[in-house]
Amino acid sequence: ETGVTQSPTHLIKTRGQQVTLRCSSQSGHNTVSWYQQALGQGPQFIFQYYREEENGRGNFPPRFSGLQFPNYSSELNVNALELDDSALYLCASSWDRVESEQFFGPGTRLTVL
Amino acid sequence: SQQGEEDPQALSIQEGENATMNCSYKTSINNLQWYRQNSGRGLVHLILIRSNEREKHSGRLRVTLDTSKKSSSLLITASRAADTASYFCATQRSGNTPLVFGKGTRLSVIA
Repeated sequence: ETGVTQSPTHLIKTRGQQVTLRCSSQSGHNTVSWYQQALGQGPQFIFQYYREEENGRGNFPPRFSGLQFPNYSSELNVNALELDDSALYLCASSWDRVESEQFFGPGTRLTVL
Repeated sequence: SQQGEEDPQALSIQEGENATMNCSYKTSINNLQWYRQNSGRGLVHLILIRSNEREKHSGRLRVTLDTSKKSSSLLITASRAADTASYFCATQRSGNTPLVFGKGTRLSVIA
């Protein structure tokens, strides 16, 4: 157990809908990163939040957006869902050290029909 | 885009044997990390090796890093059925920056 929690565990949506995924960081961590993992692939970086500000973004369209709250928990919002958005969404929390391992939550499995 | 490529994509061994997985990457790094993932769930951090280190051990794990060849290897000795999982290498360019993952090696350890 890493202390990072995500909700919901599974989610089924239809094309065009919007979804919000939630992540609670490990205590003391001030950075949250979100990753998308398609079946059979490695995780792909979506964006990172550090002290409530976006601190880097991967190659994802603007319909992927996020928030980080004062308690360092975070949300990932995806608008206008597409079939290819079906994936496991992972959040990871970390501390802003020179080298930092990331502590991953169990993920949210999103299926878009 | 993927930074690293793990090799092999899949590996099947008998319990008690050693498992070796390799990872290659493309750009300069601050550190390289190995993670394990069971059945499509969250990733578990195994070991971090800095760019100025060549070898690191943790229990039954041994990791090497060759920055001149931009490659790393993960050795699991005396494997167990519980080691069955996908293993990913991930590079980090500097502190607190995103991890860039490879596609992973799926390891099956047969009892």
